[in-house]
Amino acid sequence: QLQLLESGPGLVKPSETLSLTCSVSDDSITTINYYWGWIRQPPGKGLEWIGRIYFDGRTFYNPSLKSRLTMSVDTSKGQFSLNLSSVTAADTAVYYCARLSPDGQLVWAPHFWGQGILVTVSS
Amino acid sequence: SSELTQPPSVSVSPGQTARITCSGDALPKKYAYWYQQKSGQAPVLVIYEDDKRPSGIPERFSGSSSGTVASLTISGAQVEDEADYYCYSTDSSDEQNFIFGPGTKVTVL
Repeated sequence: QLQLLESGPGLVKPSETLSLTCSVSDDSITTINYYWGWIRQPPGKGLEWIGRIYFDGRTFYNPSLKSRLTMSVDTSKGQFSLNLSSVTAADTAVYYCARLSPDGQLVWAPHFWGQGILVTVSS
Repeated sequence: SSELTQPPSVSVSPGQTARITCSGDALPKKYAYWYQQKSGQAPVLVIYEDDKRPSGIPERFSGSSSGTVASLTISGAQVEDEADYYCYSTDSSDEQNFIFGPGTKVTVL
């Protein structure tokens, strides 16, 4: 059974860069069948799509975050990562990583999720 | 960007039927997905491609879509179905971008 595990600092100072890594338990990160994505959820609020990355490094970002966002993938380690720069308190959220599968209409949807990691932006 | 619209809350008695709607401009052309999120837990996919149920999801969960509205139905709701439910699909103004609905709190009591 696939497992996804987010890791990284739980506390980041304002204006700094939030960096998270997702570790994939099987070798599906190297296949052509999946994108790998990040979703976040501020405390008490709804889900927000952040972006996705393919095994070859192709990325698609939420336009509202694009200017501050960088995603990368390391297939040799079975990991993909998120860097969000110039963070503010509004970036405080639980961050989830997920494996995305396509459908016949090219909707890439999360089928498997990590447990999530709370990141607080505070001085 | 476009939006997906859901009612904030739905209440249902145990054993009765709950129906949650999701409205969006992309839905006539794009599939809808539904996620269940219980308090303090990660979301779980309960319906994909409008009406398909992943392995392990009870049969009481069903989905449908017509025009700009997708629906999630819980037939014979159980107390354990109390959760937030989110729909998901494509941003109609940017097909490379995906969006979640605001979520619907389902209360079973």
